[in-house]
Amino acid sequence: QMQLVQSGAEVEKPGASVKVSCKASGYLFTSYHIHWVRQAPGQGLEWMGMINPSGGSTSFAQRFQGRVTMTRDTSTNTVYMELSSLRSEDTAVYYCARTKDGGYFPCYGMDVWGQGTTVTVSS
Amino acid sequence: DIQMTQSPSSLSASVGDRVTITCRASQSISSYLNWYQQKEGKAPKLLIYAASSLQSGVPSRFSGSGSGTDFTLTISSLQLEDFATYYCQQTYSSPGTFGGGARVEIK
Repeated sequence: QMQLVQSGAEVEKPGASVKVSCKASGYLFTSYHIHWVRQAPGQGLEWMGMINPSGGSTSFAQRFQGRVTMTRDTSTNTVYMELSSLRSEDTAVYYCARTKDGGYFPCYGMDVWGQGTTVTVSS
Repeated sequence: DIQMTQSPSSLSASVGDRVTITCRASQSISSYLNWYQQKEGKAPKLLIYAASSLQSGVPSRFSGSGSGTDFTLTISSLQLEDFATYYCQQTYSSPGTFGGGARVEIK
């Protein structure tokens, strides 16, 4: 079945970087864009950006520009999200999710989600 | 960026009640509006895409309507398993902004 499996929880110090992986299976990896969404404790969902696994092109929310990098490895069907210059406000659960109809905006939502990766930023 | 405003932010309802949640976009998003359900400690689940299309496997008591800037999610007869938080999201343009969420609690 189609699924996205994310890497495990991370604890980082302020100023450090974190890299979260998201491994896809059960579908053609290069045909569906992958989004990253985060959720701070007790808060709502926040869209961070997306990557096209086919060509590697990316698009990010303005507030993360310069701090986030998204890459992919087509040999292992894995995408990565790296967030740098971490601060306490980056403590959150980070999700990857697949675009339902494959492409960039406009698109029809996200139909397959990873289980989430908890990132804790604490000194 | 397109702003998404949901209301109410929380509501209390009983099993069997009809529940309606609204979502308003700050500009027209055509029908590129999605609804998700999220239960505590779990990833969101896609319920409705393209404003009114039911995602495969989702019970027919869930329905969506609207276009342009005003949208509605309706649960025709609330079940125990429907108590959760519901989010709208526009995927008309980047960034794919979410509404603030609507928590549905047991009365």
